[in-house]
Amino acid sequence: GQQLNQSPQSMFIQEGEDVSMNCTSSSIFNTWLWYKQDPGEGPVLLIALYKAGELTSNGRLTAQFGITRKDSFLNISASIPSDVGIYFCAGQLSLGTSYDKVIFGPGTSLSVIP
Amino acid sequence: SAVISQKPSRDICQRGTSLTIQCQVDSQVTMMFWYRQQPGQSLTLIATANQGSEATYESGFVIDKFPISRPNLTFSTLTVSNMSPEDSSIYLCSVDGGNEQYFGPGTRLTVT
Repeated sequence: GQQLNQSPQSMFIQEGEDVSMNCTSSSIFNTWLWYKQDPGEGPVLLIALYKAGELTSNGRLTAQFGITRKDSFLNISASIPSDVGIYFCAGQLSLGTSYDKVIFGPGTSLSVIP
Repeated sequence: SAVISQKPSRDICQRGTSLTIQCQVDSQVTMMFWYRQQPGQSLTLIATANQGSEATYESGFVIDKFPISRPNLTFSTLTVSNMSPEDSSIYLCSVDGGNEQYFGPGTRLTVT
């Protein structure tokens, strides 16, 4: 079945550094989504990407939908302590049903050292 | 985006009992989804609940273990039946927001 790989698995960075993480798959997706999950909370949508090659920013976050539609990256610039959390990529597929199926990656755990 | 609430937020249950988790959305939505997130893991889809029809379960999940109700367009319940310690997880409901999915805060279940 469809599977997503995320790298790195975990990161420890100094406050103020830039962060880059990516997500790859052997399957083609219609939409790429990036979520952040804080401890004890549900995932919160950060960025949604709808078109191959699309580059989208949301504040200090930038994400791109790969040209092949099989990968995406997320960059965080000038990291701050509240960026700590687990970042999940998710690929969305149209299955010809009334809804699109969403597959989640295993997550990248980000720790920011003040 | 939709505002989603879940009850309970957490519970500790005994082996062999059942727990029903409620999910309430502040707007009418066609599709609602239930996910499981085992400790330190990613999210796995349990089933999709469409109002007025039976839920559609993913491979590895069955209705007898995870019965779902979807009585209207703003509410759904997931029951975790005959629980065992392996059912200890966060259970999340989610709604289809058009092009994206939005999540509730989750229910943290511990089975002893």
